[in-house]
Amino acid sequence: DAKTTQPPSMDCAEGRAANLPCNHSTISGNEYVYWYRQIHSQGPQYIIHGLKNNETNEMASLIITEDRKSSTLILPHATLRDTAVYYCIVRVAGRGTDKLIFGTGTRLQVFP
Amino acid sequence: EAQVTQNPRYLITVTGKKLTVTCSQNMNHEYMSWYRQDPGLGLRQIYYSMNVEVTDKGDVPEGYKVSRKEKRNFPLILESPSPNQTSLYFCASSFSVGWPQHFGDGTRLSIL
Repeated sequence: DAKTTQPPSMDCAEGRAANLPCNHSTISGNEYVYWYRQIHSQGPQYIIHGLKNNETNEMASLIITEDRKSSTLILPHATLRDTAVYYCIVRVAGRGTDKLIFGTGTRLQVFP
Repeated sequence: EAQVTQNPRYLITVTGKKLTVTCSQNMNHEYMSWYRQDPGLGLRQIYYSMNVEVTDKGDVPEGYKVSRKEKRNFPLILESPSPNQTSLYFCASSFSVGWPQHFGDGTRLSIL
C-alpha cells in the first residue's frame, strides 16, 4: 500500500491561500488521493479526492502532478476555522477491500 | 440530518469487562468501517464491512469483533478489553466502495 509524507506543521495568515503538500511516490495506478481534515478530536471531515486530474470543489482545490507522485491541497482563502490537522491519504478501493491509510498529517495553524 | 452516530462518546472501564460501542448511520450506506486513533500513529483501520453480513479485518483487528446484521448498524465489540485498547475510536460509512467516507464524532475509551 502506498504511503504518504506530509510536513508536520504549517502556518498561514487568514485570508491567504494555504498550500499543503503531500508526497506519495509509491502510488499505484488505481489508487486515489484523498484529503481529510480533523479539527481537535472530532471525526475526520472529507475535503476532496482525485485520481490524476486536478479537482476543485467548494472547499478546496487538489493539484496532482503528472507523474502522480505528489499533490497539493489548496485552501484559497484560509480562515481561522480552517485550523486543523490535514491528512493526505492514498485510498485502495477495489474488489474485497476499501481502506483509508492515514498518516500523521499536517497541522495547519491559521493566524489572524 | 445525515449522520453517523456513535455511543457512548466516553467510557472508562476495567480490564476484562466486555463492552460494545455502537455505530449507526441513517444514510443507507453499504460500507462501514471502524478506526482507532492513537498519538503519533494516525488513524488505523480495525474492521470494515462492505455490506450486510460481509465483514473483514483491517490493519489492527486483534482484540476486536464486529457484526453487520443490519445495514445501518455496525457495533464494535471488545470481548476482554485490555489497557492497550485505550484509544479514540471512529466509525465511518460511505455509499459504497470508493465513495467518500463520513465519520462519527468518536468514542474515547479508557481501559484501566
